[in-house]
Amino acid sequence: DAGVTQSPTHLIKTRGQQVTLRCSPKSGHDTVSWYQQALGQGPQFIFQYYEEEERQRGNFPDRFSGHQFPNYSSELNVNALLLGDSALYLCASSLDTGWNEQFFGPGTRLTVL
Amino acid sequence: AQKVTQAQTEISVVEKEDVTLDCVYETRDTTYYLFWYKQPPSGELVFLIRRNSFDEQNEISGRYSWNFQKSTSSFNFTITASQVVDSAVYFCALRTIKAAGNKLTFGGGTRVLVKP
Repeated sequence: DAGVTQSPTHLIKTRGQQVTLRCSPKSGHDTVSWYQQALGQGPQFIFQYYEEEERQRGNFPDRFSGHQFPNYSSELNVNALLLGDSALYLCASSLDTGWNEQFFGPGTRLTVL
Repeated sequence: AQKVTQAQTEISVVEKEDVTLDCVYETRDTTYYLFWYKQPPSGELVFLIRRNSFDEQNEISGRYSWNFQKSTSSFNFTITASQVVDSAVYFCALRTIKAAGNKLTFGGGTRVLVKP
């Protein structure tokens, strides 16, 4: 049973560029959440997708957007990259019932130069 | 608003010692869940334990145990007889029921170093 997968593993971009990160949820899960983890800090909630719609959003600017596809996979897009966007981006999947326990992927390490 | 505080930034122990990690949370909601996650150097967050707000019974699961005290809003976590493989960053997290979805609010993490 495949867990949560994310691609790419690492990414280097320059300021002002745009980036797309991808996530495939654990088999059977229908909800995807994205978190940003700056170095030495805890993960911060960006947003969550369920039934192909953004259901909940954290305190992130509109430069951060996302999408969920019919197969429940998801993308995170960040426009006009800033140096401060350098972080580990974690995707978590869950089932929208019961404990809603979130399973995390290995993350994508984004470096903005 | 929810907030989770982990006052200990780093703990260093020698193998086989017990390690207790502190977690204090803030929420106005009466129904919520608390979690502990482990993050090894690989980066992936690994779920360890969870507790809901209406069950304060403390439990032991293998070498892990937790002490949930609603009166002090604390959810401490103990690793008994630590091993080198326990070296990682540990995060306490909170989820409330009211908000749609299942957003997790994390603390800043505690780095645990277990020396052989």
